[in-house]
Amino acid sequence: KAGVTQTPRYLIKTRGQQVTLSCSPISGHRSVSWYQQTPGQGLQFLFEYFSETQRNKGNFPGRFSGRQFSNSRSEMNVSTLELGDSALYLCASSLGTLIDQPQHFGDGTRLSIL
Amino acid sequence: SQQGEEDPQALSIQEGENATMNCSYKTSINNLQWYRQNSGRGLVHLILIRSNEREKHSGRLRVTLDTSKKSSSLLITASRAADTASYFCATDGGGGSNYKLTFGKGTLLTVNP
Repeated sequence: KAGVTQTPRYLIKTRGQQVTLSCSPISGHRSVSWYQQTPGQGLQFLFEYFSETQRNKGNFPGRFSGRQFSNSRSEMNVSTLELGDSALYLCASSLGTLIDQPQHFGDGTRLSIL
Repeated sequence: SQQGEEDPQALSIQEGENATMNCSYKTSINNLQWYRQNSGRGLVHLILIRSNEREKHSGRLRVTLDTSKKSSSLLITASRAADTASYFCATDGGGGSNYKLTFGKGTLLTVNP
């Protein structure tokens, strides 16, 4: 069974631009979560989708948004990029409707803002 | 804010030794999970322990949970160089609609050959 796939693996952008990151979950998984990982703040929850509905959102500004498609694939978008958005963005998928399931992570997209 | 906090922040041991990492959290939980992350890679799920469980084993891993102290520990026995990684605990917040995990900042474990 293929794992969680995130594309692209690396991305370089400049301040003010916008970016879209993609995540393909494990086949059959309907829950997709996104996390931002930085050396200073660690892993921080961005949002979680289940069956195309956003069920929970972390404490990030509105520049961070996401969506989930009917095939469970998910995208997150960051607009008006800032230097502080440089981070590893991780996507995780899981079975079922409850969070008490193991999360399966992709290897992330490393976003660098110049 | 971080729900789980791991201790120590870094740990360096020799191959064959045991490694113990601790996690403390602030609010009630339904479950607590441990993950491993190799440098530059995604997280790998290790163990999930529910609030009504006190101990769980998986291979060389042993996890304990003390809900009265709001703490958990991860023990890796007979460590190997391949165990070198960062280890994170994650909690679910204990609420009715638990759609997110909150991670600690992790323990960096280095196992020297």
